[in-house]
Amino acid sequence: GAVVSQHPSRVICKSGTSVKIECRSLDFQATTMFWYRQFPKQSLMLMATSNEGSKATYEQGVEKDKFLINHASLTLSTLTVTSAHPEDSSFYICSARDEEWIDEQFFGPGTRLTVL
Amino acid sequence: GIQVEQSPPDLILQEGANSTLRCNFSDSVNNLQWFHQNPWGQLINLFYIPSGTKQNGRLSATTVATERYSLLYISSSQTTDSGVYFCAGTYTDKLIFGTGTRLQVFP
Repeated sequence: GAVVSQHPSRVICKSGTSVKIECRSLDFQATTMFWYRQFPKQSLMLMATSNEGSKATYEQGVEKDKFLINHASLTLSTLTVTSAHPEDSSFYICSARDEEWIDEQFFGPGTRLTVL
Repeated sequence: GIQVEQSPPDLILQEGANSTLRCNFSDSVNNLQWFHQNPWGQLINLFYIPSGTKQNGRLSATTVATERYSLLYISSSQTTDSGVYFCAGTYTDKLIFGTGTRLQVFP
């Protein structure tokens, strides 16, 4: 149980395009999902908290207009990187909390974004 | 903000060796977890251990919440143990990650 998937696993795009990343909880419902970013050889940094049916909560320094988050159902959250630029290249990881085991988070396999 | 320091930052072992990884928090946290990030980036849950001691095969973990630290023990290490180990704790309802320990196990 507690499996989280992400799609795509890897994307390469040209500067100025938008990229959508999907995060799904496969065998449980998650009213709350989280989006993290990880630069090479660094730790994970929380970008935003995605709440089902309401607006996401963004961490300080994260541009909400650049990183659009939609949490339309209890099993799906999407992160759209709008007008991507090379500095947005990073490893993006989502996580979800199983509402029955609210204290523990489970992570997706990550999406490696490269913007040329 | 809260600081989560892990030590050592890098560790190189020969297969079969034992090791202890440490995680120190500058403030009290809840819901402490240990993760292994494999070379492909996947975070694998190792332990949910807000306090006390747990064991799972060759791995065990101990958290002393009152002293704000946690330890991860790896015994009889294998090459598949290579990767980065993170601890993380919940602080103001957010999961805060440690700085990580990069482990390389050679045959």
